[in-house]
Amino acid sequence: DIQMTQPPSSLSASVGDRVTITCRATQSIGTSLNWYQQKAGKAPKLLIYAASTLQNGVPSRFSGSGSGTEFTLTISSLQPEDFATYYCQQGHSIPLTFGPGTKVDIK
Amino acid sequence: EVQLVESGGGLVKPGGSLRLPCVASGFTFSDVWMTWVRQAPGKGLEWIGRIKSHGGSGATEYAEPVKDRFTISRDDSKNMLYLQMNSLKTEDTAVYYCTTVGNRASASTFWGQGTLVIVSS
Repeated sequence: DIQMTQPPSSLSASVGDRVTITCRATQSIGTSLNWYQQKAGKAPKLLIYAASTLQNGVPSRFSGSGSGTEFTLTISSLQPEDFATYYCQQGHSIPLTFGPGTKVDIK
Repeated sequence: EVQLVESGGGLVKPGGSLRLPCVASGFTFSDVWMTWVRQAPGKGLEWIGRIKSHGGSGATEYAEPVKDRFTISRDDSKNMLYLQMNSLKTEDTAVYYCTTVGNRASASTFWGQGTLVIVSS
């Protein structure tokens, strides 16, 4: 199985900050990488698929990049509604696997 | 508007069974692959399995922890997805989500609100 890591498990940031979240795969997955946002008590929401394609309706301050084994999710200017946990997921091979998540909280 | 609504969760004893339905609306259900994802309390997301559309053979695939215990099925005439869970274990306690699968990178494009299953004696 492909394992996904997301160091660090949490980070603190302020409104307006540029935030970068990292995701790594234990083997190459090309660009088969998706990013989700989950707020407390809510279902996850797809932000970015195929490493860099923004899902419809997602604000343009979110962007994704990377290929192979290393990926990043960037929030260009953190907004109050962005405080949440972010998960990456590889869609390259079964079983699909998620990273453990990175929680973004208020500094 | 795409809507997915899960139900059927509740308290069940270890070794018991439960079936979770998910009703879909707002899209052509028969054309779409579907998945189940779960989240144990305070933990991360875990992919359980998926079912292809009948045009894609209707085949199912499962994660190892649930293989041979869980079965995913669909009824395209009713826009329904199901998760049959047998031989339940305490570690199956989680919120269970049904999701649609997009055309690229197997992304879970839309999610239901989830239903909580508690396995406890």
